[in-house]
Amino acid sequence: NAGVTQTPKFRILKIGQSMTLQCTQDMNHNYMYWYRQDPGMGLKLIYYSVGAGITDKGEVPNGYNVSRSTTEDFPLRLELAAPSQTSVYFCASRYTALGDEQFFGPGTRLTVL
Amino acid sequence: KNEVEQSPQNLTAQEGEFITINCSYSVGISALHWLQQHPGGGIVSLFMLSSGKKKHGRLIATINIQEKHSSLHITASHPRDSAVYICAVQNTGTASKLTFGTGTRLQVTL
Repeated sequence: NAGVTQTPKFRILKIGQSMTLQCTQDMNHNYMYWYRQDPGMGLKLIYYSVGAGITDKGEVPNGYNVSRSTTEDFPLRLELAAPSQTSVYFCASRYTALGDEQFFGPGTRLTVL
Repeated sequence: KNEVEQSPQNLTAQEGEFITINCSYSVGISALHWLQQHPGGGIVSLFMLSSGKKKHGRLIATINIQEKHSSLHITASHPRDSAVYICAVQNTGTASKLTFGTGTRLQVTL
């Protein structure tokens, strides 16, 4: 199993550009999450999904959108990138909500200039 | 006040020392997670516990639900243990979302 994979690893965007961060897991996990990690701060939940076709907002959803058309994929879309979205983004997944650990992807380091 | 507080924020130890990292939380939880973030940035799950104590190799995690407190212990520390250790609490909602502490940066020297 590859686990949770994310692409790209690094990206520099200009203000106002858009991009999609890709996340794929091959563990048949129902639950998937997108987090951002800023220096000196704990990870913050952006969006999450409890299964294909179901998504919901986390703590910091503004400026982002997600979709979950398959169990495996959970892309994160940034529209009109802003410097405040400079961060490291982690995707994570788990099989069930209650009893399982979360598996994290390797992260995407995004800089918006 | 943050829902999850970790202490210390930074910790330097010599190889072989016994290390303790503390986590206090202020909300009701269904479980608590300890995670390790390597210098390269990757995050791995170390423990998930809802009561008592768990042990894996040189790592021990304990939780006291009544006191809303958890500790992560590393016995016989080694330079390869150098990392950021993150405590996260799992809420009781349907998606069991996690709320994260800011992490404890551990440096183990020879």
